[in-house]
Amino acid sequence: NAGVTQTPKFQVLKTGQSMTLQCAQDMNHNSMYWYRQDPGMGLRLIYYSASEGTTDKGEVPNGYNVSRLNKREFSLRLESAAPSQTSVYFCASSGQEGVTEAFFGQGTRLTVV
Amino acid sequence: RKEVEQDPGPFNVPEGATVAFNCTYSNSASQSFFWYRQDCRKEPKLLMSVYSSGNEDGRFTAQLNRASQYISLLIRDSKLSDSATYLCVVNERNQGGKLIFGQGTELSVKP
Repeated sequence: NAGVTQTPKFQVLKTGQSMTLQCAQDMNHNSMYWYRQDPGMGLRLIYYSASEGTTDKGEVPNGYNVSRLNKREFSLRLESAAPSQTSVYFCASSGQEGVTEAFFGQGTRLTVV
Repeated sequence: RKEVEQDPGPFNVPEGATVAFNCTYSNSASQSFFWYRQDCRKEPKLLMSVYSSGNEDGRFTAQLNRASQYISLLIRDSKLSDSATYLCVVNERNQGGKLIFGQGTELSVKP
């Protein structure tokens, strides 16, 4: 019963380094999402993908890129990490363009120093 | 104006109390509404969907007012285990199914 799997769970980067956060779901969902959560704030949408082959910007896309590799996988890339990108990142998936319940990965705790 | 707004709290209530959370959304074309629960910055999990006619699940009641663009969650007979952050979520299906979260309302239930 994997659901949504995110890797890695923790990461420390130096300013300017790049990395890719991986996300995979095994529920045959069409929609996938990337959020970030900062202390005292809710989840802010970075990018989302309504279906395989499509991606759209959310509220805070600057500094990030995404790839919907196939129906199962949706990756988030930081090309040149900045301290402002220190956050907890959550990947989620849902069926029917978000009409049904969204399931979340366990999160990636990223620190940029 | 934020797309989805909630009172951040915190709400500190004794066991057995009734507590209500409110949420407003700005996009009148929003089509689906949810309440999620988040414990200690773990991943959010669905508490309940919110239907136009209102719906109840045990001690939890959700209401939707489309005219006022307002969603509420009522928790009766609060338990210690209800302590968490409650997140209001709106699906903007006219934008390809964007799921927008409010900033969350923190609830602390005390003995």
